[in-house]
Amino acid sequence: DTGVSQNPRHKITKRGQNVTFRCDPISEHNRLYWYRQTLGQGPEFLTYFQNEAQLEKSRLLSDRFSAERPKGSFSTLEIQRTEQGDSAMYLCASSLESSGSTDTQYFGPGTRLTVL
Amino acid sequence: AQTVTQSQPEMSVQEAETVTLSCTYDTSESDYYLFWYKQPPSRQMILVIRQEAYKQQNATENRFSVNFQKAAKSFSLKISDSQLGDAAMYFCAYLPGNTGFQKLVFGTGTRLLVSP
Repeated sequence: DTGVSQNPRHKITKRGQNVTFRCDPISEHNRLYWYRQTLGQGPEFLTYFQNEAQLEKSRLLSDRFSAERPKGSFSTLEIQRTEQGDSAMYLCASSLESSGSTDTQYFGPGTRLTVL
Repeated sequence: AQTVTQSQPEMSVQEAETVTLSCTYDTSESDYYLFWYKQPPSRQMILVIRQEAYKQQNATENRFSVNFQKAAKSFSLKISDSQLGDAAMYFCAYLPGNTGFQKLVFGTGTRLLVSP
């Protein structure tokens, strides 16, 4: 069990560019989440996958944001035409659904995005 | 919508002393889960403790314990015998009990400073 990993750890980009982040969940975890954390705030939910199906999306996830989880393994979060307001830490978490009970989410180290 | 409030932006404690971090939440649900997560500087968020709302007994994990007051919608974290490694941001989080909704709602966090 190597934990949740995220790449890259840091990304600096210019406004208007596209960026893509990757998240590798804990192996055998079937649920995967994306959150965004701005300075001085707690994480805010963006979206959630169960296996390869994207089951919930926040209103924070504008049309410029897209997330995928092909084959129910790793996930990617893409931001198109980045804006300075997109600068934040993007956190990924995963969990194992067990017998319909609520599972605990385990977080990765995050990708810090800076948009210049 | 559910909300989580952490009214203490920063708390200080000396090594070996005890400190209590406050958290209140607002929900109309009767079934839910509460968590405390720790986020050390530049490191990933880790789970400290979890409480199921249907359990009357307060959760404990070694030096960490909670005081869960369901009627008052209060969920405080007590850290006993504080250590330098306890210095971090601490986030209180709420999760609905309906397993179809997996969105964690976080508070704004409390920064814990530990002095020798």
